Amino acid sequence: GQNIDQPTEMTATEGAIVQINCTYQTSGFNGLFWYQQHAGEAPTFLSYNVLDGLEEKGRFSSFLSRSKGYSYLLLKELQMKDSASYLCAVWTEYGNKLVFGAGTILRVKS
Amino acid sequence: DTEVTQTPKHLVMGMTNKKSLKCEQHMGHRAMYWYKQKAKKPPELMFVYSYEKLSINESVPSRFSPECPNSSLLNLHLHALQPEDSALYLCASSQGGGQYFGPGTRLTVT
Repeated sequence: GQNIDQPTEMTATEGAIVQINCTYQTSGFNGLFWYQQHAGEAPTFLSYNVLDGLEEKGRFSSFLSRSKGYSYLLLKELQMKDSASYLCAVWTEYGNKLVFGAGTILRVKS
Repeated sequence: DTEVTQTPKHLVMGMTNKKSLKCEQHMGHRAMYWYKQKAKKPPELMFVYSYEKLSINESVPSRFSPECPNSSLLNLHLHALQPEDSALYLCASSQGGGQYFGPGTRLTVT
């Protein structure tokens, strides 16, 4: 079966650092994606990890450990506009199919 | 250019209407997708087209009918929908790493 877990909600302060964790158990693995989604809008691609390690892109970084079935998204220097839902998704071996976690709602407070 | 376009942005239709949603991408991606997303839920895969052929149908009711006229276009034909079909309908495309979403069509069935 396919199972992706991430926290339901998180709250952090403007200017701080927050880490959103994702654990997965899937039939096959071809990479892990993180998306940001603001209310009423489409998901926006943030990162893609297929090998173990840390990928850094500006204020956002994503980490993957395939042996542990674990990833995290790290957001630095939080801004109010970072308040959104963050979706973890695994690319399985079943031809072009992404399996999504339920999403983590991040609230940034001043 | 990582743009996927969708029309219309909003659609209100009665249960006896026939309408179509349209999606277009010019990134040369050979896989295209339709997702349905309800409020506060992750995107739910409906259909996958790979090289213009339907490769995945996630047991979607026949009142939704996908069509891929060419490698850049994807349509979703709607007929005899139910109020519970009201949702955000997202198109996406991919090639290798990265699945990119269009802005979505907000559908309301009355």
